[in-house]
Amino acid sequence: GDSVTQTEGQVALSEEDFLTIHCNYSASGYPALFWYVQYPGEGPQFLFRASRDKEKGSSRGFEATYNKEATSFHLQKASVQESDSAVYYCALSPSNTDKVVFGTGTRLQVSP
Amino acid sequence: DTTVKQNPRYKLARVGKPVNLICSQTMNHDTMYWYQKKPNQAPKLLLFYYDKILNREADTFEKFQSSRPNNSFCSLYIGSAGLEYSAMYLCASSRDRGGDQDTQYFGPGTRLLVL
Repeated sequence: GDSVTQTEGQVALSEEDFLTIHCNYSASGYPALFWYVQYPGEGPQFLFRASRDKEKGSSRGFEATYNKEATSFHLQKASVQESDSAVYYCALSPSNTDKVVFGTGTRLQVSP
Repeated sequence: DTTVKQNPRYKLARVGKPVNLICSQTMNHDTMYWYQKKPNQAPKLLLFYYDKILNREADTFEKFQSSRPNNSFCSLYIGSAGLEYSAMYLCASSRDRGGDQDTQYFGPGTRLLVL
């Protein structure tokens, strides 16, 4: 079945470090790919999506590029801040379906 | 207002007892979802309502029930709680049918502990 794999369970960085959180997916065709962010005490929030190969999604300084060949959608940010500390979820939605499949999440901790 | 509200935020239940969780949204969204989230696991879709039509996942079909008395409210009902039901329950809504062209808005969750 369709699935999302996030290889890092936790990432610890210092402010101004470069961030990469890896996301690989398994699905047929061209699923839509998403990143959601969950801050403490809140539910996940939509960050951005991409729907086509080589499309870049971005928001709040975060970005990811849809890579069909590598089946990846890695999240990156050039310079993280302490306020970026949160859990980040990669997700996919197969074409023409009502469902979203989430990864297990990556907890980002940024130290000042 | 893009708020999805959930009540209660924390729930303690006894094994064998029923549990009822409530979710509400005022965005006039057509679809409302319930997910179960356990530590180190991905949020797992339990069921969703598109308008008045309930869709339940095959592997949770008999474990959870739901009702949507109007567009704004949706409940998740467990008839007889077991220890394995301890988890965070997330409610979400989307404007249309969800999926690849839509965005889900999540509530803060209800943490259920079954003892």
